[in-house]
Amino acid sequence: GESVGLHLPTLSVQEGDNSIINCAYSNSASDYFIWYKQESGKGPQFIIDIRSNMDKRQGQRVTVLLNKTVKHLSLQIAATQPGDSAVYFCALEYAGGTSYGKLTFGQGTILTVHP
Amino acid sequence: DTGVSQNPRHKITKRGQNVTFRCDPISEHNRLYWYRQTLGQGPEFLTYFQNEAQLEKSRLLSDRFSAERPKGSFSTLEIQRTEQGDSAMYLCASARGTGNQNYGYTFGSGTRLTVV
Repeated sequence: GESVGLHLPTLSVQEGDNSIINCAYSNSASDYFIWYKQESGKGPQFIIDIRSNMDKRQGQRVTVLLNKTVKHLSLQIAATQPGDSAVYFCALEYAGGTSYGKLTFGQGTILTVHP
Repeated sequence: DTGVSQNPRHKITKRGQNVTFRCDPISEHNRLYWYRQTLGQGPEFLTYFQNEAQLEKSRLLSDRFSAERPKGSFSTLEIQRTEQGDSAMYLCASARGTGNQNYGYTFGSGTRLTVV
């Protein structure tokens, strides 16, 4: 079955450092991957996404890398700021499903940025 | 319309009582999703609507749970005879979708349910 997991549950960095959050998945048929940020008391907020026909995508201060060979996804945050402190989730959508937009989430990584 | 709205934000109920949550999606969004999130975990899919049709229900959605979207706009999620294990954050998301493409997939801030 589908499962999505994270290598590290917590990550502490200093302001200005780069952060890398990792995610492993098991369903090789997954074709759409998303990273979400969730702050306390709020719903998940979209950060960046990538489809399976790509291996890298960049946004503002964020980069997502996809390695389909080893079923691994990572989120890189450049020049991490205190406002980046939150829980980060990877999520995936299974291409073969008929419920479009049905997401499977990983456990989450708590990112703490120290000033 | 500024986003997905969920009400109430918090609900405390006694075990055995029924509760109902409401989700108002972004107005032009035809797809609506309910998820449940327990502490320290990622959201888990519960059910999915396209317009007024409920197209999939997770095994997590026991017989005590029912969701509706009668006019293809707002949706309600009802839990009957609540149990302590139902305590969680219930999240709603909506998107504008055609076929296998979704646009503007947005989560609400959730309803936090505590069953005492």
